[in-house]
Amino acid sequence: GQQLNQSPQSMFIQEGEDVSMNCTSSSIFNTWLWYKQEPGEGPVLLIALYKAGELTSNGRLTAQFGITRKDSFLNISASIPSDVGIYFCAGSTGNQFYFGTGTSLTVIP
Amino acid sequence: EAGVVQSPRYKIIEKKQPVAFWCNPISGHNTLYWYLQNLGQGPELLIRYENEEAVDDSQLPKDRFSAERLKGVDSTLKIQPAELGDSAVYLCASSPGGGDTQYFGPGTRLTVL
Repeated sequence: GQQLNQSPQSMFIQEGEDVSMNCTSSSIFNTWLWYKQEPGEGPVLLIALYKAGELTSNGRLTAQFGITRKDSFLNISASIPSDVGIYFCAGSTGNQFYFGTGTSLTVIP
Repeated sequence: EAGVVQSPRYKIIEKKQPVAFWCNPISGHNTLYWYLQNLGQGPELLIRYENEEAVDDSQLPKDRFSAERLKGVDSTLKIQPAELGDSAVYLCASSPGGGDTQYFGPGTRLTVL
């Protein structure tokens, strides 16, 4: 199936730093989703975006739906140790969801 | 509101044995998905149900995998016989429909020895 290009693959940052990751696709999507997955758990939905250009925040997390509908980014401000995990983007064309390869985030206290 | 429930959480079997996973979606969610997730990768769709109908099973290895969603609520995914390469996390997700969002269960980690 289709796989989205997600970057960076991994990040090691100091606590308090801001984080930025993005996701690109060759296809247009109607919805962009961002998930966080911790070891031994399923992905947990962080932010859902439904309109091109939309900018949505959830606490320290901010995500944007690219104007071309082919990309999205996620920012985390003032990172804390519990932000550690793997972040996945997902694009939807209806009832079909396609996932990125994930960004592994490590926060150093 | 209860989330997506999956069981078992962990399963260890020997190759050639059968195995089954169970999923209970969020109440009222008509769309149910089974995904396979290998280590270090994103989820990959195995099958998607709209109510009790499998509308996309193109990625399901039908020689050994089967799934059902009786009455359009709970679903089971079966592998028979299991192979070493089937070791992975099997995730169930549900959606109210329309592709607007999707919620995952905790997954079943399968180890085939």
